[in-house]
Amino acid sequence: QKEVEQDPGPLSVPEGAIVSLNCTYSNSAFQYFMWYRQYSRKGPELLMYTYSSGNKEDGRFTAQVDKSSKYISLFIRDSQPSDSATYLCAMSADSGGYQKVTFGIGTKLQVIP
Amino acid sequence: DAMVIQNPRYQVTQFGKPVTLSCSQTLNHNVMYWYQQKSSQAPKLLFHYYDKDFNNEADTPDNFQSRRPNTSFCFLDIRSPGLGDAAMYLCATSRFNTKGAYEQYFGPGTRLTVT
Repeated sequence: QKEVEQDPGPLSVPEGAIVSLNCTYSNSAFQYFMWYRQYSRKGPELLMYTYSSGNKEDGRFTAQVDKSSKYISLFIRDSQPSDSATYLCAMSADSGGYQKVTFGIGTKLQVIP
Repeated sequence: DAMVIQNPRYQVTQFGKPVTLSCSQTLNHNVMYWYQQKSSQAPKLLFHYYDKDFNNEADTPDNFQSRRPNTSFCFLDIRSPGLGDAAMYLCATSRFNTKGAYEQYFGPGTRLTVT
């Protein structure tokens, strides 16, 4: 079993839809949770960063962490064609010192005008 | 703007011909990473530097080497590229604090083609 599971998609939605992207994980030590957006042939761009459980909102983006279920989500409201990209979840433990970040495989999102 | 810069953006090399990819950062971060990312796969960590301390992942082939002459620059050397080394190579940086180093900022990547 992979430490981080993410459906690769592709996920196609009409413009204006609410998008839900998800990851599950198996390592209960994970405390830091991140979402990256990666456009085709570009480097990943950090979108959201959350520590432990709870919600975090930034504009049209909301990140949720449910540690009891080992499940994280990224919601995109009023999706735009410019949101079409691959979204990677990433997470890391918090035990002091350097901890490797583990990435999901990424979900490819296409927002259709 | 503070950023992570990678050069070149596209590199074509011949099978077995050494190649060097470069990364520079203006974020003044003390940790720098090199990842390999193949199509539709998660980025795979090759190694990272915490300041000048080099940390190699256990499954990184010996064919891959790295240098970090100063805080701002880091190089990835592929001594004898094989066809399987064709990939996007991503440089990332982060600031290490007492809680660790988690938010990583990526460069645009170098796409390596091996002929």
